[in-house]
Amino acid sequence: AQSVAQPEDQVNVAEGNPLTVKCTYSVSGNPYLFWYVQYPNRGLQFLLKYITGDNLVKGSYGFEAEFNKSQTSFHLKKPSALVSDSALYFCAVRDSSSNTGKLIFGQGTTLQVKP
Amino acid sequence: DSGVTQTPKHLITATGQRVTLRCSPRSGDLSVYWYQQSLDQGLQFLIQYYNGEERAKGNILERFSAQQFPDLHSELNLSSLELGDSALYFCASSAPRAGGPDEQFFGPGTRLTVL
Repeated sequence: AQSVAQPEDQVNVAEGNPLTVKCTYSVSGNPYLFWYVQYPNRGLQFLLKYITGDNLVKGSYGFEAEFNKSQTSFHLKKPSALVSDSALYFCAVRDSSSNTGKLIFGQGTTLQVKP
Repeated sequence: DSGVTQTPKHLITATGQRVTLRCSPRSGDLSVYWYQQSLDQGLQFLIQYYNGEERAKGNILERFSAQQFPDLHSELNLSSLELGDSALYFCASSAPRAGGPDEQFFGPGTRLTVL
């Protein structure tokens, strides 16, 4: 069965500092991995995805994520956090061998960036 | 703006009632997905339709049903509502490849409150 774990309910970081939001996954085949962000009272907004190839994926708003197959991880990173990055972040996975687009989401991590 | 629209934004109803949530996908997208977001369950995949046909089913209750119409809009029907059905219901759509690695674009959601 597919699953995603986001071990931290909340991550606190000072503005200007680097941030990392952790994600580990489990799928039977090769994974497609996604990060989404949700601002209050809004829908989920796509940030980036890993399909294949380069393990470092760059996405929107300066975010990037590193795919690590041996550790089954896909951590979200940003070199310098902004207060406006404060939001709820979701990691999601689907099995590339599946012919559906069903996404399995982690529980979400609240990112709090303080001035 | 993701291009996915959902109506209504808010819905307040009583236990035992039936409601219909509506979704219009992005122009050209053939896949529509429904997700439920609640505090205790997180983001759960409910069902996927591809070009009018059911493609995948998740944790969708028998009291819930969905369909996708020829114009590709979709409706999620929730009946015999219970207090525990109160949640945010998201619709998402993705590009024409049913099993491709395409990201999903989410609508703003419908917040259902069952009293």
